Amino acid sequence: NAGVTQTPKFRILKIGQSMTLQCTQDMNHNYMYWYRQDPGMGLKLIYYSVGAGITDKGEVPNGYNVSRSTTEDFPLRLELAAPSQTSVYFCASSYMDRAQTWGGYTFGSGTRLTVV
Amino acid sequence: AQKITQTQPGMFVQEKEAVTLDCTYDTSDPSYGLFWYKQPSSGEMIFLIYQGSYDQQNATEGRYSLNFQKARKSANLVISASQLGDSAMYFCAMREVNTGFQKLVFGTGTRLLVSP
Repeated sequence: NAGVTQTPKFRILKIGQSMTLQCTQDMNHNYMYWYRQDPGMGLKLIYYSVGAGITDKGEVPNGYNVSRSTTEDFPLRLELAAPSQTSVYFCASSYMDRAQTWGGYTFGSGTRLTVV
Repeated sequence: AQKITQTQPGMFVQEKEAVTLDCTYDTSDPSYGLFWYKQPSSGEMIFLIYQGSYDQQNATEGRYSLNFQKARKSANLVISASQLGDSAMYFCAMREVNTGFQKLVFGTGTRLLVSP
């Protein structure tokens, strides 16, 4: 199993440009998340999804958008990139069934984004 | 609101010695889970250990153990017989079971340096 795959691994954007960070998982997990990690800090939740077609804001959603058209994919869109969005972005997924059995988190390897 | 506090920005330990990394948490949810992740310089998030709020015994995984003191709301990570490869950032995180979307809240991390 590939687990959680993020692309690209590195990207440099100019101020005002837009891009989409891709995240896909092959574990049929219902929950997916986007976190950002600023230098020397812990991870902060940007957006999350509890299933296809359902997304909601996390702690730091401004400047980002997400969609979840399929169970597998959860892309993160940056519109009008700003230097404050320079960060490492992690996608993660987890699973919980109707019996409330929880299957743990799986993290992607991260995308390092620099906005100049 | 749930919160994780890691008060040690950096810790030093000599190889083969034990080290304790501190973590305190705050939540009003009676059902929660506590995690420790390791982040080496390569950047990936590596799951180390998990403790559920109703678990009677402290979790252990090889050289890692979690000193769970529920009344004090602390979940310290103990690494026994430190190795050079243990040098990394360590993050404590918490999941509230009853929020419905299973998000993780992270602390700011502790950088551990193991010296020969």
